[in-house]
Amino acid sequence: KAGVTQTPRYLIKTRGQQVTLSCSPISGHRSVSWYQQTPGQGLQFLFEYFSETQRNKGNFPGRFSGRQFSNSRSEMNVSTLELGDSALYLCASSPTSGGASTTNNEQFFGPGTRLTVL
Amino acid sequence: ILNVEQSPQSLHVQEGDSTNFTCSFPSSNFYALHWYRWETAKSPEALFVMTLNGDEKKKGRISATLNTKEGYSYLYIKGSQPEDSATYLCAFGNAGNMLTFGGGTRLMVKP
Repeated sequence: KAGVTQTPRYLIKTRGQQVTLSCSPISGHRSVSWYQQTPGQGLQFLFEYFSETQRNKGNFPGRFSGRQFSNSRSEMNVSTLELGDSALYLCASSPTSGGASTTNNEQFFGPGTRLTVL
Repeated sequence: ILNVEQSPQSLHVQEGDSTNFTCSFPSSNFYALHWYRWETAKSPEALFVMTLNGDEKKKGRISATLNTKEGYSYLYIKGSQPEDSATYLCAFGNAGNMLTFGGGTRLMVKP
């Protein structure tokens, strides 16, 4: 079974531009979550999509948005890039919807997209 | 704001040493505690998902325990090998698939 894939793996943008990152989950997984990893803040949750609906959102500004398609693939968009957006962006897929009855669901991470904002 | 803390931040051990790290998390509204291993240039790899107080899980030389009443989990590695060198992350799982990660413990095993 193929793992979680993310494209592109590396990206360089300049301040003010926008960027779109893509994540393809493991086949059959319907939940996709996005995380940002920076040296100072560690891994922080951005948002989660399940069946094309955003279910959870972390504490990030509205410049960060996402969506999920009917095939469960997800995209994350960052508009008006700032220097502080330079980070590794990871996505994770899970087979279940989570919730109190299924909180022991494992999440599978992709290799990440390294974004550099100049 | 949920606070998940890991200690130590980094650890250097010799091959063959056994070691352990700590993850502290809020003891209220507990759902699940996840452990991941993250090697440089690779994806984080799930080690354990623990949900019950007193849970003990084992995978090869790595094991973990969980105390939800006092809000901590220990990860143990028996007989560390150079290939165990990685960052070990714990994450508090809320309702749904949202994970709140600790800062990680970076383990370096010297041959």
